[in-house]
Parts: sequence; C-alpha cells; structure tokens
Amino acid sequence: DIQMTQSPSSLSASVGDRVTITCRASQSISGALNWYQNKPGKAPKLLIYAASNLHSGVPSRFSGSGSGTDFTLTISGLQPEDFATYYCQQSHSRYTFGQGTKLDI
Amino acid sequence: EVQLVESGGGLVQPGGSLRLSCAASGLSVSSNYMNWVRLAPGKGLEWVSIIYDSGSTYYADSVKGRFTISRDNSKNTLYLQMNSLRVEDTAVYHCARDTSAFASWHFDLWGRGTLVTVSS
Repeated sequence: DIQMTQSPSSLSASVGDRVTITCRASQSISGALNWYQNKPGKAPKLLIYAASNLHSGVPSRFSGSGSGTDFTLTISGLQPEDFATYYCQQSHSRYTFGQGTKLDI
Repeated sequence: EVQLVESGGGLVQPGGSLRLSCAASGLSVSSNYMNWVRLAPGKGLEWVSIIYDSGSTYYADSVKGRFTISRDNSKNTLYLQMNSLRVEDTAVYHCARDTSAFASWHFDLWGRGTLVTVSS
C-alpha cells in the first residue's frame, strides 16, 4: 500500500500569510495527487487535482505542485474562510489520504 | 442541484449492524464511480469502499469481509451495509463521486456525512 505523509500536522498563521503544506508518497505516484479542504460538519471540498490543476470554483490563491513522491499545496494570501484541515490523497493505486494538516489562527 | 445526502447513522453496540444510505440528485449513481470515505475522531480521512459503474466493488483492508457497498438504480441511492461493527469504526461516513481528468481520479462531489458511533 502507498503511504502518504503530510507535514506539518498543524500550522498557525494569520490572514494575508502565505502557507505551504507538503505531502510525500512512499513510492512514486507520478502526478496522481489531490488536495481537499475539510471543515467540521461540512462536506470536504476538492481544491487541486492531478497535482497542479485548480478545481472549478476554487480561488486562485490555492496552488499545487510536484510529481513523483513530493508535492506541495500553497495558499497565497490567507483568508478567514481558509482556516480548516487540509488533506492530500493519492489516486495512483486505490486511494490513500495523508493524516491532515490543521490550519488555524 | 447536484448533491449527495447521507443518512442512516446512529449509535450501535460492538458487533452490531447498520446500513448507511446516500441519496443522489442531479447525477446517476449507476453511471458514476461512487465511494464511501470516513473520518474518525482525531484521525484523518480514510477511503472505505468503491463501486464502479460496472458493479465491481473494492474495499479497504480494515473493512473487507464486514462492509458491503451496493446501489439501487431505481432509487438513485448508494448504500453501505456495515456488519460486525467495532469501536474503531466510529466515524463520520461520507459518500463521494469519483471522476477523472488529466489521468488522475479524484472526488469532486461529497456529501456532508452521517455519524456512526459504535459503543457499548
């Protein structure tokens, strides 16, 4: 099974900051990496698919990069609604999520 | 509006059973790849099961042999039959649609989830 390791597990930031979350796969997954945002009581939201493609309706302050085993999610200019938990997911072989990064103030 | 709405969660004793439902509107469960994903307290998202448009099904090792995914095309509803429940199955269960672009599968539509609590 492919393991996904996210870092950091938690992150404190302020409105307007630029933050980066990293995700590492235990083996190469090419570009099969997705990013989701989750808030309590809400449906998780797809942000980025195939490593760097912005999902429809997602603000352009979100961006993704990487290939192979190392990936990053960057949020440029944090907004109040961005404080949430973020997960990476590999879809190269079935599905595995990272353990999550909780972003708070 | 395209949406997924889960129901059927609740409190159940260890060893018990529960059936979750996911009612779809604006999309056909029979022509999509549909998944169940769970979020346990203090843990991360975990993929549970998938049913393909062909009807083929796959499960995470943690639930194989205990959970069964199915669908009712006439009701446009996805199900998850959960048997031999364990305390560690306690979680919010989400259904999610799978789609593909740029050679990458991803979950572009999710429901808000239903809470399953396994406790004596």
